[in-house]
Amino acid sequence: DAGVTQSPTHLIKTRGQQVTLRCSPKSGHDTVSWYQQALGQGPQFIFQYYEEEERQRGNFPDRFSGHQFPNYSSELNVNALLLGDSALYLCASSSKGGDRQETQYFGPGTRLLVL
Amino acid sequence: GESVGLHLPTLSVQEGDNSIINCAYSNSASDYFIWYKQESGKGPQFIIDIRSNMDKRQGQRVTVLLNKTVKHLSLQIAATQPGDSAVYFCAENYGTGRRALTFGSGTRLQVQP
Repeated sequence: DAGVTQSPTHLIKTRGQQVTLRCSPKSGHDTVSWYQQALGQGPQFIFQYYEEEERQRGNFPDRFSGHQFPNYSSELNVNALLLGDSALYLCASSSKGGDRQETQYFGPGTRLLVL
Repeated sequence: GESVGLHLPTLSVQEGDNSIINCAYSNSASDYFIWYKQESGKGPQFIIDIRSNMDKRQGQRVTVLLNKTVKHLSLQIAATQPGDSAVYFCAENYGTGRRALTFGSGTRLQVQP
């Protein structure tokens, strides 16, 4: 049973460019959440998708957008990259229903460096 | 906004000793808490969780204690091993169903051989 997978593992971009990160949830999960983790800090919630719609959003600008596909996989897009967007981007998935919807399982992350 | 925080940024213990990692939370509405372990270059790994209707929960070598009166959470690791060296985060949310997690800044656990 595969866990949460993310691609690519590492990425280098320059300021002003756009980037797309991808996530496949754990088998049996339908909800995907994205987090940004700056060096030495805890993850910060960006947004959450289920049923192919953005359901919750953290305090991030509109440059951050996403998408969820019918197979529950998800993309995170960041436009007009800034140096401060350099971080580890984490995807977490959680189950469809029942008692443990809150438990989120994380992927390995995509390390983004903006130069 | 309210957030979860940690008392100690770094904890150093001897191999075989017990470790205790603490976490304070400020949102009194929080009713679900999770401990994650994050090794260098990896994503957070789920360790154990606890709901607010409990004050203690045990797993394999780990115990989580919740004190709602003082809004305090702790993770106890028995017989700490070198493989336990990592950064530990507590996270919280409230309500049922799909919710965003709020994380603290983490505690680094260093296990000395």
